[in-house]
Amino acid sequence: EDKVVQSPLSLVVHEGDTVTLNCSYEVTNFRSLLWYKQEKKAPTFLFMLTSSGIEKKSGRLSSILDKKELFSILNITATQTGDSAIYLCAPSNFGNEKLTFGTGTRLTIIP
Amino acid sequence: GAGVSQSPSNKVTEKGKDVELRCDPISGHTALYWYRQRLGQGLEFLIYFQGNSAPDKSGLPSDRFSAERTGESVSTLTIQRTQQEDSAVYLCASQGQGRFGELFFGEGSRLTVL
Repeated sequence: EDKVVQSPLSLVVHEGDTVTLNCSYEVTNFRSLLWYKQEKKAPTFLFMLTSSGIEKKSGRLSSILDKKELFSILNITATQTGDSAIYLCAPSNFGNEKLTFGTGTRLTIIP
Repeated sequence: GAGVSQSPSNKVTEKGKDVELRCDPISGHTALYWYRQRLGQGLEFLIYFQGNSAPDKSGLPSDRFSAERTGESVSTLTIQRTQQEDSAVYLCASQGQGRFGELFFGEGSRLTVL
């Protein structure tokens, strides 16, 4: 059975801090690892990672995948209050179109 | 439309009643997903459509749940004889061809079963 574990479950930091969110997974026939941000109801797509060691960046957010150790991290630098959200990761495998999401990390940025 | 549209946004019903939740995906998106999110919990996969067919229904929790899609567009999720444990936000997402993993979610339908 596919597994995905995110840590920490919850994180509270001050504006301007840097945070690292973790996602470890076990899937058969791994295809990709996806990160989403859920602020209120609708999750929004952040990154898709397929290869180890290649960092994806979007502004202050970046993410990297380690396919050997089966984990991914999402970094957010110079955090802002608008970064407060639940961050979800979802590993996927070939032959299966569904995404199995982790329970997420709830990030709260204090002004 | 510009985004994924879901209706109703909120639905309160009595235990035992049937409910229908509707999803209008982004025009041209071939794949459509339904997820359920209970309060304080993660996203739980329900069903996936490719076009009008549903190759993966593995997440439907019981035979009270069914879904259909017509015209490679609108999808309806039906819950019969609702139970209190069905209370959740039901999220629909669509995905463009060749864009695996990049789901566009609607704002969800919040279902409360009294």
